[in-house]
Amino acid sequence: GAVVSQHPSWVICKSGTSVKIECRSLDFQATTMFWYRQFPKQSLMLMATSNEGSKATYEQGVEKDKFLINHASLTLSTLTVTSAHPEDSSFYICSARGGLAGGLSYEQYFGPGTRLTVT
Amino acid sequence: GENVEQHPSTLSVQEGDSAVIKCTYSDSASNYFPWYKQELGKGPQLIIDIRSNVGEKKDQRIAVTLNKTAKHFSLHITETQPEDSAVYFCAFMKTSYDKVIFGPGTSLSVIP
Repeated sequence: GAVVSQHPSWVICKSGTSVKIECRSLDFQATTMFWYRQFPKQSLMLMATSNEGSKATYEQGVEKDKFLINHASLTLSTLTVTSAHPEDSSFYICSARGGLAGGLSYEQYFGPGTRLTVT
Repeated sequence: GENVEQHPSTLSVQEGDSAVIKCTYSDSASNYFPWYKQELGKGPQLIIDIRSNVGEKKDQRIAVTLNKTAKHFSLHITETQPEDSAVYFCAFMKTSYDKVIFGPGTSLSVIP
């Protein structure tokens, strides 16, 4: 099956610094990638959708200047949390969807997540 | 707006029994309904999905049913095993929005 990786799996950073999270589709080309955020014992909340080579579309209430998304290639998307604060501490999960010959695949494949702790 | 309700929020069953989780969505334009299993500290894993032109789909011990008229869809797990213990999320997608929206989740515990 399709595999999505994330790096790092966990990161601790100091308040005010920036941190970058990578999401890679390992065995397929991801035309669309998604970034989700999950707080403890809660559901996944979509932050933004990105298509390769174009600007990301952010969900209402998500600060685009704080959460920078770059989908520079069909296998890599990055999320940069700028000027991180303790309230940004969360589990960040990416997912990827590829296109199939003759049509678009509905299935989204999820990465293992990145645990961000801001001290 | 986009909304999906999921019940129950927690569910405990004895090993070998069946588990049923139900979801209700609001937008009749929804046409794809995946179910995800998430183990602690991991990303969600797609376990089964159904499209709007199908009423039922089964994969070994897991089945999903869809009632488009009532806007309900359900996950059925038979012969539950301890390794089925996890949080299960229903989700839906509207082609026009091209994104998956998650329900609030159900924490399933299978007691040996």
